[in-house]
Amino acid sequence: DTGVSQDPRHKITKRGQNVTFRCDPISEHNRLYWYRQTLGQGPEFLTYFQNEAQLEKSRLLSDRFSAERPKGSFSTLEIQRTEQGDSAMYLCASSSKGRQEGNEQFFGPGTRLTVL
Amino acid sequence: GQNIDQPTEMTATEGAIVQINCTYQTSGFNGLFWYQQHAGEAPTFLSYNVLDGLEEKGRFSSFLSRSKGYSYLLLKELQMKDSASYLCAVRENDMRFGAGTRLTVKP
Repeated sequence: DTGVSQDPRHKITKRGQNVTFRCDPISEHNRLYWYRQTLGQGPEFLTYFQNEAQLEKSRLLSDRFSAERPKGSFSTLEIQRTEQGDSAMYLCASSSKGRQEGNEQFFGPGTRLTVL
Repeated sequence: GQNIDQPTEMTATEGAIVQINCTYQTSGFNGLFWYQQHAGEAPTFLSYNVLDGLEEKGRFSSFLSRSKGYSYLLLKELQMKDSASYLCAVRENDMRFGAGTRLTVKP
């Protein structure tokens, strides 16, 4: 396992459709994060898992967004009834509790979503 | 509320030194991180500070003053490949990022 992977890398969809993204974290990492990033901005926190438990969810996150991590390994992020404003890069990151480097997060390459 | 502020853009010359400042106001604090992000790529970890003072890692150093809510990233001996966005992030339970500083290194 060389890093965090995300699938797909690019997704183009029509407004109103549902989309699902997958993230596979670094295998020994128990923490998994989802972020959204738009051009010229830093990543915006969406939600965070420790093992299979979803511990925090941004108040800004619409109820059209849902994330799961059923077995504490890979995670999925689903967006229902997509809107043009959902167009962004969706980043996944993972980290391991107890590392000396302050548990830095390792990011995947992202899924770029375009809603037409 | 929570604010993390850093300059939008900076320009520097190859071989020079540049300092990127970050100020923050957060309800909690559990560490400050700097990440580098090249255009179209994911952020990569540069440095971490949780106590006041300077942390040095090769050409990159990061400083933290918790009482002032202030950090800076110092880049020495700039190279063309250092042209990127530099993101300041503060961790409470989750990680909050600033908008990033886009650094352009010119020959």
